[in-house]
Amino acid sequence: QKEVEQNSGPLSVPEGAIASLNCTYSDRGSQSFFWYRQYSGKSPELIMFIYSNGDKEDGRFTAQLNKASQYVSLLIRDSQPSDSATYLCAVAAFGGSNYKLTFGKGTLLTVNP
Amino acid sequence: NAGVTQTPKFQVLKTGQSMTLQCAQDMNHNSMYWYRQDPGMGLRLIYYSASEGTTDKGEVPNGYNVSRLNKREFSLRLESAAPSQTSVYFCASSPGQLNQPQHFGDGTRLSIL
Repeated sequence: QKEVEQNSGPLSVPEGAIASLNCTYSDRGSQSFFWYRQYSGKSPELIMFIYSNGDKEDGRFTAQLNKASQYVSLLIRDSQPSDSATYLCAVAAFGGSNYKLTFGKGTLLTVNP
Repeated sequence: NAGVTQTPKFQVLKTGQSMTLQCAQDMNHNSMYWYRQDPGMGLRLIYYSASEGTTDKGEVPNGYNVSRLNKREFSLRLESAAPSQTSVYFCASSPGQLNQPQHFGDGTRLSIL
């Protein structure tokens, strides 16, 4: 069974600090990796995706992927109180007739002013 | 640009009642998905449709049926609701290619008494 593991948190950081969110996955056939942000009572919204080893930067967000270690992370620089949310790691692999996402249970991030 | 639209947003049912959750997308996406989200369990795939005319079971299909009515619409039916189906249900869609993300609707909050 494909598994995606995240530290459930809560992860608490002060405003302006770097928040580091981690995710490991079990399926070596996984090919794409997504980070979603979910505010309480809302739906998941895509922040970033990555499919090549290394780093990918988008504004204050950096996704890092290491397929050999089956590890993907999300760094949030200059954290803001508005970043307080649950962050979901999702891993894509083909199964059945299409690719499917397996989600981690999410890490709750709290940014303190 | 509505994206993914789910109806209803809230619903309360009695055990044994049936109902259909509706989902429509206006992004011309090929693939559509139904998830449920429970506290501590993360997002779990119920059913998906890789393309119009096809449907496949996900991780937790028991007690549910789906219909891909056309390219835009994908419905989820509970034939005989049970308290264990109390959850938040999300519909998502994607173009269907591996490196393209899924986009989520706002969710349906379903309570079964």
